[in-house]
Amino acid sequence: SQELEQSPQSLIVQEGKNLTINCTSSKTLYGLYWYKQKYGEGLIFLMMLQKGGEEKSHEKITAKLDEKKQQSSLHITASQPSHAGIYLCGALGGNAGNMLTFGGGTRLMVKP
Amino acid sequence: NAGVTQTPKFQVLKTGQSMTLQCAQDMNHNSMYWYRQDPGMGLRLIYYSASEGTTDKGEVPNGYNVSRLNKREFSLRLESAAPSQTSVYFCASSLWDSGYAMSNQPQHFGDGTRLSIL
Repeated sequence: SQELEQSPQSLIVQEGKNLTINCTSSKTLYGLYWYKQKYGEGLIFLMMLQKGGEEKSHEKITAKLDEKKQQSSLHITASQPSHAGIYLCGALGGNAGNMLTFGGGTRLMVKP
Repeated sequence: NAGVTQTPKFQVLKTGQSMTLQCAQDMNHNSMYWYRQDPGMGLRLIYYSASEGTTDKGEVPNGYNVSRLNKREFSLRLESAAPSQTSVYFCASSLWDSGYAMSNQPQHFGDGTRLSIL
């Protein structure tokens, strides 16, 4: 079965600083989703990557899928308190279907 | 836009009791999912329904049953609750259906049900 490992598990940054979260898969990634979860709430879809080398941005958040398609990174530029939460990566399996395997999450705190 | 609605938001049960978690989506999505989230373990798929009338097991189905009542609603039932089922349960839905080999349709999540079993 596919396993996703996220690093770091938790992160505290000063407001305005840049940061990167990594998601490494034990198998080839056929599709990689990034979600954000606010404490005590549901998951909010951020973006999806499918092609090796693909990069997408939404406001100050950029995600990239590496060429070998076994790792994705999420980069936040000039972090703000509103970026605080838990970031989760979810991967599509190689077989048919829409089932996702999730990483353990990265807990981000942004200090004003 | 309600999206995915889960009820109840909180529930406390005693060991051995049964209950049903309700989920409804108003986005005309084809597939629906039930996950549980435990500290340090991310989300794990319990059951999913690729389309109305079909259900399949996910990674951790033991102790649970599901019903896809219609296209909008997908319920999760605990027949005899155990302390190990204490968790946060999330329902999700997606436009994907079994006619697609793979998917680029994201799953949209509800706000979760926090369930404690004593």
